[in-house]
Amino acid sequence: ETGVTQSPTHLIKTRGQQVTLRCSSQSGHNTVSWYQQALGQGPQFIFQYYREEKNGRGNFPPRFSGLQFPNYSSELNVNALELDDSALYLCASSRGPKWETQYFGPGTRLLVL
Amino acid sequence: DAKTTQPTSMDCAEGRAANLPCNHSTISGNEYVYWYRQIHSQGPQYIIHGLKNNETNEMASLIITEDRKSSTLILPHATLRDTAVYYCTYAGNNRKLIWGLGTSLAVNP
Repeated sequence: ETGVTQSPTHLIKTRGQQVTLRCSSQSGHNTVSWYQQALGQGPQFIFQYYREEKNGRGNFPPRFSGLQFPNYSSELNVNALELDDSALYLCASSRGPKWETQYFGPGTRLLVL
Repeated sequence: DAKTTQPTSMDCAEGRAANLPCNHSTISGNEYVYWYRQIHSQGPQYIIHGLKNNETNEMASLIITEDRKSSTLILPHATLRDTAVYYCTYAGNNRKLIWGLGTSLAVNP
């Protein structure tokens, strides 16, 4: 157990809908990173938040957005869902943006029909 | 950009040492190598990291070659619970971890 929680655990949406995924970081951590993991692939970096500011973004379209709250929990929002958005979405917390020792939550499994 | 190369899959007998190699020839001098593992459908779990020297913790040992172009993760006495996908990774140009496909390790009884 890492102390990082994510909700919901599973979600089914249809194309075109919007989804919000939530992540609570480990106590003492101020940085949250979000990843998308398609079946059989490694995690792909979406973006990172450090002290409520975005601190880096991967190769994902603008319909992937997020925010971080003062308690360092975070949300990932995906608009206009596409079938290819079906994946495991992982959040990871760390002590800071340069700490690559990350502690992952269990993930949210999203299925887009 | 950061790139790692690992065997797609490996087998190991329970109780024996599992040696998982990783090639990271494009790593620069001040970047750490990180190892994580992912048990089926769970979030990745941090194992160990290192820069130049060999490292050991309660989970594993990490051997890094002198030229730092490759490393080996060693699980000294593999158990069935060590069956997982193992990833070696390091930070890319934007200082964010880049993940490959990993090695699927099967520990057999």
